Amino acid sequence: DTGVSQNPRHKITKRGQNVTFRCDPISEHNRLYWYRQTLGQGPEFLTYFQNEAQLEKSRLLSDRFSAERPKGSFSTLEIQRTEQGDSAMYLCASSPPNTGELFFGEGSRLTVL
Amino acid sequence: KNEVEQSPQNLTAQEGEFITINCSYSVGISALHWLQQHPGGGIVSLFMLSSGKKKHGRLIATINIQEKHSSLHITASHPRDSAVYICAVQGDKLIFGTGTRLQVFP
Repeated sequence: DTGVSQNPRHKITKRGQNVTFRCDPISEHNRLYWYRQTLGQGPEFLTYFQNEAQLEKSRLLSDRFSAERPKGSFSTLEIQRTEQGDSAMYLCASSPPNTGELFFGEGSRLTVL
Repeated sequence: KNEVEQSPQNLTAQEGEFITINCSYSVGISALHWLQQHPGGGIVSLFMLSSGKKKHGRLIATINIQEKHSSLHITASHPRDSAVYICAVQGDKLIFGTGTRLQVFP
C-alpha cells in the first residue's frame, strides 16, 4: 500500500488552458475528498465522493471545475479555462469505511501564469 | 468569525520546550482531527478524537466537547516537530482551521 497518490505533483499552465489532476486513493477506501489550499490558509473543501457517487460539492466549485470517480477507485479533478485565481495546492484525501480517519496525498500544486 | 479558530497562528520554541496549540470551534461536530503539514504540502493525520484524550509518543490531544475546545500538546519539542499544525472539525463537512506554524530551534 503506497498511500494516497496524486499526479502531477506540480503543473504550470497558461491562463485559459485546461488541467486535470488525478488522485489514486488507498485501496478499499470508499470515501474520497478534494480540497484546495492557498498560501497561508487552511484547506477548503471542494467535493466528496462515496464510492462513485459525488455526494457534495462546494459553492467554491464553479462550473469550470468538474470531478469524477467513475469506478469508485481513482478520481480526476478537471479545471477548464484556468484563471490565475485557480493557482493553489489541490489536495486529495481518502477515508476507509466506518471510520472518519483521513489519509492525504502529497497534493498537486497548480500555477496559472 | 471563522467556524474553527486556532491559536497561536505562529509559535517559536526552543528544543525541549512544552508546546500547546489550541483549537476552538463553533459548530456541532462528530470528530476533530489534528493534522501536521510539512513544507511541500504533505498532510499527515495525527489524531482523530471525539472525546477525552489521546496520546501518541510525545504528542497529546485533548478535547472538551461542552466547551468546543481542543488542544494539541507536544512534550520535549524537537526541531523536526517544525511544521504547520491544523485543526479540522467533522460536522456535516470537514472544516479546517488556518493552522499554527511551529518552529522549534535547537
